[in-house]
Amino acid sequence: GENVEQHPSTLSVQEGDSAVIKCTYSDSASNYFPWYKQELGKGPQLIIDIRSNVGEKKDQRIAVTLNKTAKHFSLHITETQPEDSAVYFCAAKRPGRRALTFGSGTRLQVQP
Amino acid sequence: DGGITQSPKYLFRKEGQNVTLSCEQNLNHDAMYWYRQDPGQGLRLIYYSQIVNDFQKGDIAEGYSVSREKKESFPLTVTSAQKNPTAFYLCASSIVTGQDYEQYFGPGTRLTVT
Repeated sequence: GENVEQHPSTLSVQEGDSAVIKCTYSDSASNYFPWYKQELGKGPQLIIDIRSNVGEKKDQRIAVTLNKTAKHFSLHITETQPEDSAVYFCAAKRPGRRALTFGSGTRLQVQP
Repeated sequence: DGGITQSPKYLFRKEGQNVTLSCEQNLNHDAMYWYRQDPGQGLRLIYYSQIVNDFQKGDIAEGYSVSREKKESFPLTVTSAQKNPTAFYLCASSIVTGQDYEQYFGPGTRLTVT
């Protein structure tokens, strides 16, 4: 089955700096890659997603890049703010499988 | 307000007791899911359902059971057979048709078994 690895497990940056979180996946048939943000004690919320027919997608300070050949995708957050502090999860889904396979999460701490 | 509700937020049980976690959605989604989250780990799929009266085992279904008698509701029972039930449980839902795969998550239930 699908396996998704996520790095780093923790990331600390200064306010205003950029943060990058990377994920690799094992199933070359996977075609949908969402990123979720989870604040303490809450359920994850989708922040951005990308499909395999696209190499990059941006939404204000957040961007995701996908390299299908290498089977990895990354989340980029620019001009980080303290409210970006949370746990971020990547996930992957292949056609025909309804559920997502999640990475192990990255705890991002933005220092003011 | 449309969304997913899970109750209660915190649940405490004695070892050997079955316990049922509630999940309700008013998003008119066909598919619903249960995930388990342990500290420092990603979400692992327990069960999912794409339609009423039908559900499928996920990666870690042993010791759990579900029912889907109504579109809006997908309760999860943690049985006494689950060897390590203490965890944070998340319910999610999504539409089934089209390319919109986004899963919407509830606020979660933290279960502690002693």
